[in-house]
Amino acid sequence: GEDVEQSLFLSVREGDSSVINCTYTDSSSTYLYWYKQEPGAGLQLLTYIFSNMDMKQDQRLTVLLNKKDKHLSLRIADTQTGDSAIYFCAEEGRGGGNKLTFGTGTQLKVEL
Amino acid sequence: GAVVSQHPSWVICKSGTSVKIECRSLDFQATTMFWYRQFPKQSLMLMATSNEGSKATYEQGVEKDKFLINHASLTLSTLTVTSAHPEDSSFYICSAHVRDRDNYGYTFGSGTRLTVV
Repeated sequence: GEDVEQSLFLSVREGDSSVINCTYTDSSSTYLYWYKQEPGAGLQLLTYIFSNMDMKQDQRLTVLLNKKDKHLSLRIADTQTGDSAIYFCAEEGRGGGNKLTFGTGTQLKVEL
Repeated sequence: GAVVSQHPSWVICKSGTSVKIECRSLDFQATTMFWYRQFPKQSLMLMATSNEGSKATYEQGVEKDKFLINHASLTLSTLTVTSAHPEDSSFYICSAHVRDRDNYGYTFGSGTRLTVV
């Protein structure tokens, strides 16, 4: 079965870096995603990484993928109060239908 | 970029009535749409996958007769919650897979907050 776990809560100070971690179990995952959800809103795609990559950087966002340990992380540099939200990792498996399995979500709180 | 428009944003209905939620892909064709349900402070749970012109595929434990999905065109998928009950109150979100020259990934609607009273 597919299981995607995240820590529930992370608090950082404005200007610091945030690192949100995710572990998954499906070794056949093709793409892994990071989404941001603000209260009462849908999901905003932040970035994604293909399973044959180790790292991807996109402005303030850095994604690291350790396939051996099935560990994915999202680093947000210079975290701002506007980054406060819930962050979900998600994996797209090979099981057909391009279904996404979402992590449990990490609530990021940025304090002044 | 690829946009999915979801309506309504929120709806309150009485027990026993039916509610229809629409998702439209605005600038691309979505042969497949996904419907999720999200309870407060929880993750998204996939309910069903709808394919244009064919029957939807439901996840285990999701009642197909209660959650009717129609995907009659490449730009429109609808979810109808039939005979709604308070336990159906939730946040429903649709999603479509996008794969073109400029975009890859899944784009989500803004969600529908359903409250059944």
